[in-house]
Amino acid sequence: EVLLQQSGAELVRPGSSVKISCKASGYTFTDYYMHWVKQRPEQGLVWIGRINPANGNTVYAEKFKSKATLTADKSSNTAYMQLSSLTSEDTATYFCTRSRFAYWGQGTLVTVSS
Amino acid sequence: DVVLTQTPPTLSATIGQSVSISCRSSQSLLHSNGNTYLNWLLQRPGQPPQLLIYLVSRLESGVPNRFSGSGSGTDFTLKISGVEAEDLGVYYCVQSTHAPYTFGAGTKLELK
Repeated sequence: EVLLQQSGAELVRPGSSVKISCKASGYTFTDYYMHWVKQRPEQGLVWIGRINPANGNTVYAEKFKSKATLTADKSSNTAYMQLSSLTSEDTATYFCTRSRFAYWGQGTLVTVSS
Repeated sequence: DVVLTQTPPTLSATIGQSVSISCRSSQSLLHSNGNTYLNWLLQRPGQPPQLLIYLVSRLESGVPNRFSGSGSGTDFTLKISGVEAEDLGVYYCVQSTHAPYTFGAGTKLELK
């Protein structure tokens, strides 16, 4: 069974950074891209970018190029997303999702507040 | 970026009614490899999205066959043949032909 297990909710200060994890199981981690998606409260889905865990190659949406950094650790089958210079606009639930959007993590709520 | 326009934004239906959702793209979603990477997702309240349809019309494993997808190029449709209570939520189309990948704004399916 394919599972994507994300790290827990985060409460962070404006201007700081946060790193979210997504641990994959039930398939060969390096065989599929991992995507990250943002959803602000009561709003739609926004694609942040994707990483190829086999070689670390990344593609980002333009608006997230200076906000998000995607990495992957093949030894632990875990994908990561670091968000920097956080503002209230970054308060959202973030999802990891495997290629084809067939499997999703449960989401990680990041709340930016002083 | 590719813009996906979903209509209607809200849909009210009775149990058993058949409904359709439209997704129109600002450019063709036909990839140079011959595939059209247009998927449909359902997000129930408090849940991550669930894949229903991929490659325009292919039913994801485990998804009831009352869901069907059709279309080509820039115009796509999701049809639910006989709405059931578990179908309520927000439906999204998403394209992965052109980076950055983009989602439609969503269609909320409610009970009438």
